Amino acid sequence: KAGVTQTPRYLIKTRGQQVTLSCSPISGHRSVSWYQQTPGQGLQFLFEYFSETQRNKGNFPGRFSGRQFSNSRSEMNVSTLELGDSALYLCASSLDPSGYEQYFGPGTRLTVT
Amino acid sequence: EDKVVQSPLSLVVHEGDTVTLNCSYEVTNFRSLLWYKQEKKAPTFLFMLTSSGIEKKSGRLSSILDKKELFSILNITATQTGDSAVYLCAVVTPGGGSNYKLTFGKGTLLTVNP
Repeated sequence: KAGVTQTPRYLIKTRGQQVTLSCSPISGHRSVSWYQQTPGQGLQFLFEYFSETQRNKGNFPGRFSGRQFSNSRSEMNVSTLELGDSALYLCASSLDPSGYEQYFGPGTRLTVT
Repeated sequence: EDKVVQSPLSLVVHEGDTVTLNCSYEVTNFRSLLWYKQEKKAPTFLFMLTSSGIEKKSGRLSSILDKKELFSILNITATQTGDSAVYLCAVVTPGGGSNYKLTFGKGTLLTVNP
């Protein structure tokens, strides 16, 4: 069974631009969560989607948004990029919202210059 | 605000040593505690702990939870260079309704030297 895939793997953007990251969960998994990982803050929860609905949201500004499609694939969008948005963005999937056993993708390394 | 603190932040040992990683937490409505291993990119799931005092074991790795003292430990015996990684602890709490949220610690960087 294929694991969680994320595209692109690396991305360089400039301040003020926007970016869209994509995540395809493991086949059959319906819950997708997004995390931001930085050396200073560690792994921080962004949001979680299940059945195309955002079920949970972390403490991030409104510039961070996401959506989930009917095939469970999810996208995350960051608008008006700031230097501090440079991070590894990880997506994780689980069977359902109560599935604590999350499987992580390889991440997208975003660098904002 | 929910808080998860891991210690030490980093650790260097020699192959064959035994290590103990710590995770303490202050959260509202604890549900469970998770341990992950992160090598290059994606964290991989190790254990989920829900009940106090019950040890979870997988090969040379084991973990136990103390819900009274609000901490968990992850033990690795007979360490190998392949155990070098960041070990993450996360606590699961209700996120509203039937939802949940994970709060992660900053991780412990373990380096095992040959």
